[in-house]
Amino acid sequence: SQKIEQNSEALNIQEGKTATLTCNYTNYSPAYLQWYRQDPGRGPVFLLLIRENEKEKRKERLKVTFDTTLKQSLFHITASQPADSATYLCALSEMKTSYDKVIFGPGTSLSVIP
Amino acid sequence: SQTIHQWPATLVQPVGSPLSLECTVEGTSNPNLYWYRQAAGRGLQLLFYSVGIGQISSEVPQNLSASRPQDRQFILSSKKLLLSDSGFYLCASSRDRGREGIGYTFGSGTRLTVV
Repeated sequence: SQKIEQNSEALNIQEGKTATLTCNYTNYSPAYLQWYRQDPGRGPVFLLLIRENEKEKRKERLKVTFDTTLKQSLFHITASQPADSATYLCALSEMKTSYDKVIFGPGTSLSVIP
Repeated sequence: SQTIHQWPATLVQPVGSPLSLECTVEGTSNPNLYWYRQAAGRGLQLLFYSVGIGQISSEVPQNLSASRPQDRQFILSSKKLLLSDSGFYLCASSRDRGREGIGYTFGSGTRLTVV
């Protein structure tokens, strides 16, 4: 069956450290993968997109890797801050014909401790 | 950039009552539009998507329906709500299918509680 899995446990890290979140998928062939941030009671906010032919993408303190052999994406936040505390969602797209069907993972809750 | 307006923010409705949630998009034309539901502690479940006016596709059989009467308006409806319809409803828009590296834009969501 098809699955998208993220860190099952909430992640607690110390301020200033690097947070690493994992997204694994099974029985999908994604054309691209996205990461979103979601704060409580709010809609997700798009952070980064990485395509199947890209291995790494960076944006400020964020870095995403995409390994289609391992069927895994890693999301890193360097020099983490308490303001980075949120739930992070990974999402993949298989580029169906008429629309870009995007399937979301369950999310990982990140808490950055001052 | 795109902005999605979604209302109301919270809604408490009795079982068996009708529902209408509206979503409007600014800053783009001919977007793909989506309705998602998010149960507590769960991922986003795609309910409906639309690639144009009057074009609606359903991802899961359910008690809900969707309509797109205008290019930038997307409506989620129900004739009779069930307890299981409770959840956080999100409208989303996309337009580039990943070509420009732009993801979905989401609205702020509606928290629906059916009592």
